[in-house]
Amino acid sequence: NAGVMQNPRHLVRRRGQEARLRCSPMKGHSHVYWYRQLPEEGLKFMVYLQKENIIDESGMPKERFSAEFPKEGPSILRIQQVVRGDSAAYFCASSLGQEGDGYTFGSGTRLTVV
Amino acid sequence: GIQVEQSPPDLILQEGANSTLRCNFSDSVNNLQWFHQNPWGQLINLFYIPSGTKQNGRLSATTVATERYSLLYISSSQTTDSGVYFCAVAYGGTSYGKLTFGQGTILTVHP
Repeated sequence: NAGVMQNPRHLVRRRGQEARLRCSPMKGHSHVYWYRQLPEEGLKFMVYLQKENIIDESGMPKERFSAEFPKEGPSILRIQQVVRGDSAAYFCASSLGQEGDGYTFGSGTRLTVV
Repeated sequence: GIQVEQSPPDLILQEGANSTLRCNFSDSVNNLQWFHQNPWGQLINLFYIPSGTKQNGRLSATTVATERYSLLYISSSQTTDSGVYFCAVAYGGTSYGKLTFGQGTILTVHP
């Protein structure tokens, strides 16, 4: 079991381009969470998804950001028309979605907007 | 929303020393986890502990849910313990929804 896999590890985008971040949860996990970490700050919740459903997107910016977790394949966090303020580390976590289950995080994607 | 406060914000130790990190939260929780973010940025789950006490090697944690705090104990610290320790909680509906993180305690262990 390779754990939670995120790719790419590092991503550089020019202002105005699109960024696509991928997350494959641990085998058997059907719940996926995305978090953003700005430099020298804690982690901020963005979105919680189950297969084909967005359960809680209360932390997602209203514009330019979207997330999906299709029936097949990884979860995708998409940022359109990136700006310098989007530069951050984006972490994905997964869980079984059961009481008593801890969350497992991936290694993160470091997005740099130039 | 819920407030999660961690103390101290920074902690510097000599190798071999013991330490206690604290997490206070402002509302009842049904999920509390401790994480260690190492200097390379990797987040490692240390404990799932909404109540009670757990131990794993040199680390142990206690959550007193009725008084809304949790403690993480590190004994005989090693340089590899350096990094940021986060407490994170979920409250309200299910125990497996969004986690709200504290600001973290930055631990530096010197040889």
